[in-house]
Amino acid sequence: QTVVTQEPSFSVSPGGTVTLTCGLTSGSVSTTYYPTWLQQTPGQPPRTLIYNTNIRSSGVPDRFSGSILGNKAALTITGAQADDEGDYYCLLSMNPDTRMFGGGTRLTVL
Amino acid sequence: QVQLVESGGGVVQPGGSLRLSCVVSESTFSRYEMHWVRQLPGKGLEWVAFIGFDGSNKYYSGSLKGRFTISRDNSKSTVFLQMNGLRSEDTGIYYCATDVTWNFDHWGQGTLVTVSS
Repeated sequence: QTVVTQEPSFSVSPGGTVTLTCGLTSGSVSTTYYPTWLQQTPGQPPRTLIYNTNIRSSGVPDRFSGSILGNKAALTITGAQADDEGDYYCLLSMNPDTRMFGGGTRLTVL
Repeated sequence: QVQLVESGGGVVQPGGSLRLSCVVSESTFSRYEMHWVRQLPGKGLEWVAFIGFDGSNKYYSGSLKGRFTISRDNSKSTVFLQMNGLRSEDTGIYYCATDVTWNFDHWGQGTLVTVSS
């Protein structure tokens, strides 16, 4: 069975830029998977940052951006801030009737 | 601001059943497709189920199909998740979320389900 892959962890310096990726164990991620990126901080529900590859959800700062890089979906954070620390999840539409989350990336800002 | 409030979680014995509810504070609830997503303790997010605008389309995670049933009552702005044959590995927080053109734009705070003898 195909699995959605993400880096388990990443670290970025305050003010720095980081790119998290979302791939598949079999095949390439494209816009037809409608990639979604979510952020979750401890004790909170998820918050959608990016949907449909590169559309920012309401209220999300423009330092968050989504794209397709090669065969993966990507979330880039430009000018990282301390409150960007948390877990980031990728969600793909595997076909019209199934969604699948990646395992998540724990981002540390230090 | 649209708000989602889940309820119905609690402690249940293995093999038991629970019915989760999610009330959406939106008079045009029928314009939202809805999802249930869960998070097992210390783990990542897992998509559980989807229901379309009028309830005619329903999709489930392959690992859960047959035990869980999603439904909705548009007159009450509520989506439900009936969970049968519960197992210890179903323990976790269950979230509902709205879906507008591929955007999971609103989430509830979640309801905790504990399956334990």
